[in-house]
Amino acid sequence: DTEVTQTPKHLVMGMTNKKSLKCEQHMGHRAMYWYKQKAKKPPELMFVYSYEKLSINESVPSRFSPECPNSSLLNLHLHALQPEDSALYLCASSQTVEGGRGQYFGPGTRLTVT
Amino acid sequence: AQKVTQAQTEISVVEKEDVTLDCVYETRDTTYYLFWYKQPPSGELVFLIRRNSFDEQNEISGRYSWNFQKSTSSFNFTITASQVVDSAVYFCALRPNSGYSTLTFGKGTMLLVSP
Repeated sequence: DTEVTQTPKHLVMGMTNKKSLKCEQHMGHRAMYWYKQKAKKPPELMFVYSYEKLSINESVPSRFSPECPNSSLLNLHLHALQPEDSALYLCASSQTVEGGRGQYFGPGTRLTVT
Repeated sequence: AQKVTQAQTEISVVEKEDVTLDCVYETRDTTYYLFWYKQPPSGELVFLIRRNSFDEQNEISGRYSWNFQKSTSSFNFTITASQVVDSAVYFCALRPNSGYSTLTFGKGTMLLVSP
């Protein structure tokens, strides 16, 4: 099973809403990532978790709050977003953060902020 | 600092044509990994290949082949006999073999294969 799943597939939210994105993998990977991708651009790294601990935060605004409840799950809590936060949010995992085997990506959540 | 350049923004071919996607990289690391990912319109990034900087052997997988040339810092990707299903954005990426596994992506090349 080399699958990373993400829910929901699409999400529309207002600027005052609170919502969460979910990501799950059952490959035994100990590193998980959140990326943001705008149209016609490459993915931009937001957060990296290693062994359920946050190891990299790429200066992401606090309206994005990641959480890693266990080694298989990764959440991204959203609050008071702006329209410019509309994007595809991709989750990825890899065996370890140091490992070179590559990251496996989920299908993404298309977020629209109105 | 790492940099990956995919100079071709968009390529259009007709089915059954061969097409090569270029990737040039810059890094000060002596060991590193190179990757190619495919992103179809559905959005998922699909892992295609990983190449270790020690290994300069070219690789072929079905209609796909990769040419890694360390001397010119290039890692080009060729699709032989392209098909409509190959239409996607293709990203080349680099990761140093030290520290944390952060990928540096190129800007991507959109490949359009028409029937």
